[in-house]
Amino acid sequence: SQQGEEDPQALSIQEGENATMNCSYKTSINNLQWYRQNSGRGLVHLILIRSNEREKHSGRLRVTLDTSKKSSSLLITASRAADTASYFCATDADRGSTLGRLYFGRGTQLTVWP
Amino acid sequence: SAVISQKPSRDICQRGTSLTIQCQVDSQVTMMFWYRQQPGQSLTLIATANQGSEATYESGFVIDKFPISRPNLTFSTLTVSNMSPEDSSIYLCSVEGDWDRVSQETQYFGPGTRLLVL
Repeated sequence: SQQGEEDPQALSIQEGENATMNCSYKTSINNLQWYRQNSGRGLVHLILIRSNEREKHSGRLRVTLDTSKKSSSLLITASRAADTASYFCATDADRGSTLGRLYFGRGTQLTVWP
Repeated sequence: SAVISQKPSRDICQRGTSLTIQCQVDSQVTMMFWYRQQPGQSLTLIATANQGSEATYESGFVIDKFPISRPNLTFSTLTVSNMSPEDSSIYLCSVEGDWDRVSQETQYFGPGTRLLVL
């Protein structure tokens, strides 16, 4: 079954504003990863948060993980036009699934207007 | 992180033909994967490319349609055989970082191959 599901599907904001994207998943995980994809290109790894971590920071990115609610959020502070992209969360496989397999949601399309 | 390259970056192909996509990594990695991303959709794992043995395919994907080679720890190919318009997608290879403790469990993706089948 599909794991990560992001919301909203699309988000449009002005430069300088913060952008928050959410991800929910269904089964237990070892870790959750966030990726960015510029239009039609490869995925860029942003951050990995393990199941025993609650919050992680990397530059303007802040990721939280609530394993009791099976949800994660990605916050981009002081957004820039260059942050315009699709953002995906991906969870690792639960037991019995392919080792190393990631389950991706459909992504949130973020548009940052100058 | 690893530098991952894919060839070709994009192609337009005719129905019934085959295309082989190459993935090259600048360091040796144990785990290598092939994903497909159909237009406007999420990524779906096609198979795990195993070095020295047959690839492990996910449900819905078969070797006859997507033969995979993995001759060494830095290189893999995916062939899309007997293509139809439904195969139009972005195909991405990924590797699991295993060169240090920080990279473990992290998957790094190539730039993707955009395929359009007419």
